[in-house]
Amino acid sequence: DADVTQTPRNRITKTGKRIMLECSQTKGHDRMYWYRQDPGLGLQLIYYSFDVKDINKGEISDGYSVSRQAQAKFSLSLESAIPNQTALYFCATSEEAYNEQFFGPGTRLTVL
Amino acid sequence: AQRVTQPEKLLSVFKGAPVELKCNYSYSGSPELFWYVQYSRQRLQLLLRHISRESIKGFTADLNKGETSFHLKKPFAQEEDSAMYYCALGSGAQKLVFGQGTRLTINP
Repeated sequence: DADVTQTPRNRITKTGKRIMLECSQTKGHDRMYWYRQDPGLGLQLIYYSFDVKDINKGEISDGYSVSRQAQAKFSLSLESAIPNQTALYFCATSEEAYNEQFFGPGTRLTVL
Repeated sequence: AQRVTQPEKLLSVFKGAPVELKCNYSYSGSPELFWYVQYSRQRLQLLLRHISRESIKGFTADLNKGETSFHLKKPFAQEEDSAMYYCALGSGAQKLVFGQGTRLTINP
């Protein structure tokens, strides 16, 4: 089945460390998104990409960067992790702008 | 600015009772609205969208432009409806803005 996968699923790291979260999809979708989920705040958009050459900042991009290595891969990096980046991170894909978004299983990141 | 407000973080109802999850939005253009659901240990998934006007798992949602609302309703709650529900707005920048979410618990 076509799917959206995220690695790692869980990660504990220390303040100041660089960390990369990876997202891969076999759905053939051009559009990919990174969100973070915090209790009481819902999902906030970090970055999104409409194709390999098009990357856009979302609502909360400070402290994050992304790389769209191929249509199927979209990575999120924390250059120097800080404790308030502890959250659940989701990757999603969609075929068109307002079509259904398909979500990955999430990565739980803890920054100590 | 585009904004989605779900005023209830937690909602608890008894099985068989009606359910209404509230969603209000702020957007100057023509909105595209969605409800997403996350069941325990499952991925976030689309429940329904206003443009399709369909009923999924007994849930319906009507767009009220005058009240800028898109409340999710079900006449008779079932235990399997317990989940986290997110209302989302499609904005002019071709991305979704999500509300804070409502955790719905159906008591037996």
